[in-house]
Amino acid sequence: DQQVKQNSPSLSVQEGRISILNCDYTNSMFDYFLWYKKYPAEGPTFLISISSIKDKNEDGRFTVFLNKSAKHLSLHIVPSQPGDSAVYFCAAPSNQGGKLIFGQGTELSVKP
Amino acid sequence: GAVVSQHPSWVICKSGTSVKIECRSLDFQATTMFWYRQFPKQSLMLMATSNEGSKATYEQGVEKDKFLINHASLTLSTLTVTSAHPEDSSFYICSAKRGGSTSDGYTFGSGTRLTVV
Repeated sequence: DQQVKQNSPSLSVQEGRISILNCDYTNSMFDYFLWYKKYPAEGPTFLISISSIKDKNEDGRFTVFLNKSAKHLSLHIVPSQPGDSAVYFCAAPSNQGGKLIFGQGTELSVKP
Repeated sequence: GAVVSQHPSWVICKSGTSVKIECRSLDFQATTMFWYRQFPKQSLMLMATSNEGSKATYEQGVEKDKFLINHASLTLSTLTVTSAHPEDSSFYICSAKRGGSTSDGYTFGSGTRLTVV
């Protein structure tokens, strides 16, 4: 059972434009959600999170939106920069031991 | 900020040998550590959860006798791949969770590329 899903394996965006990465989940009991950025052969680095009681969290160029009724969240990056090119994972901690459940990831490519 | 050190960053070993990967939390005590495996172009698959001083909890389908996890202290967890085979070749990543979880309470190591020849 894939509780966290990222249905778009890849996304290509022009530099300066907005990147929108999407994530869906099935478990309405998740307390919060996290976004991670990952380069090849490196560990994920934390980007931004959102509590389940919020519908928006903003940090610089990164904004995460949460739509609880749709069980959907999205990460907006604006303006996109070539250095943003990486794989982005959404994740949520399970209620069982706090282990993180990851989506499949979306590979973002920002073209100069 | 919280730092997790994972060693080695890459290792090549012969079939049948064992390989140990270390994961250390450098500036905090990690009550729980997690071990993940990532295949190319795929997500991070949780292998096991280790809590200091107790046995690790393995995810379904993960062979506990093959992937030995030891969490001897609040700052160190090790994953030993025993009798490695080429199909064990993968990218292994550890994560350490600080006590009193917060939304950014998970810190990941830099990963270990294991190649079994």
